[in-house]
Amino acid sequence: AQSVAQPEDQVNVAEGNPLTVKCTYSVSGNPYLFWYVQYPNRGLQFLLKYITGDNLVKGSYGFEAEFNKSQTSFHLKKPSALVSDSALYFCAVRVRITTSGSARQLTFGSGTQLTVLP
Amino acid sequence: ETGVTQTPRHLVMGMTNKKSLKCEQHLGHNAMYWYKQSAKKPLELMFVYSLEERVENNSVPSRFSPECPNSSHLFLHLHTLQPEDSALYLCASSQEPGENYGYTFGSGTRLTVV
Repeated sequence: AQSVAQPEDQVNVAEGNPLTVKCTYSVSGNPYLFWYVQYPNRGLQFLLKYITGDNLVKGSYGFEAEFNKSQTSFHLKKPSALVSDSALYFCAVRVRITTSGSARQLTFGSGTQLTVLP
Repeated sequence: ETGVTQTPRHLVMGMTNKKSLKCEQHLGHNAMYWYKQSAKKPLELMFVYSLEERVENNSVPSRFSPECPNSSHLFLHLHTLQPEDSALYLCASSQEPGENYGYTFGSGTRLTVV
């Protein structure tokens, strides 16, 4: 099955320090990978995506992610964390739902709670 | 109004009640989705309406039934729910085929079954 995994339930980082939220994928063929963020009592907000091209993808709010094919990883990074970055982060991969249909779905990881300490 | 709007934001219902969740998208997208988000669990895709194709997650109980009268509106009809159905229900939309695009999510309906 095509999936993504987020090995860390919780990541704590001090404000101003770099942050990394890890994601690995298991996909046959070329993966379409996404990062979303969820603030309390809100829906998921799109941060960035990797479809093809440069392995370093830049997204919203100063976040970036590095696609590494050899390590099957797509880690989310930010050079300097803010307290306001504290939220739940989800990695996702776009997959076909059925073998015969055209519909696609985003399959999400279990999420990583990021806490940035002042 | 833009984006994806879900109503109500909060819903408390008894196990014998019948209620419906509503989702409306103002983005001109042609696909809509229902996801269930429970604590400590990955997001679970429940239903998809995409390019006139309806796809159901076979693990979703029949007490949940979707309705998509047009490409802008999506409903989730609820009846005789169980306490374990308490969760955040998220609606999303996308433009298909659209490998270059992600989904736009609504803010969700927080459902509590008592």
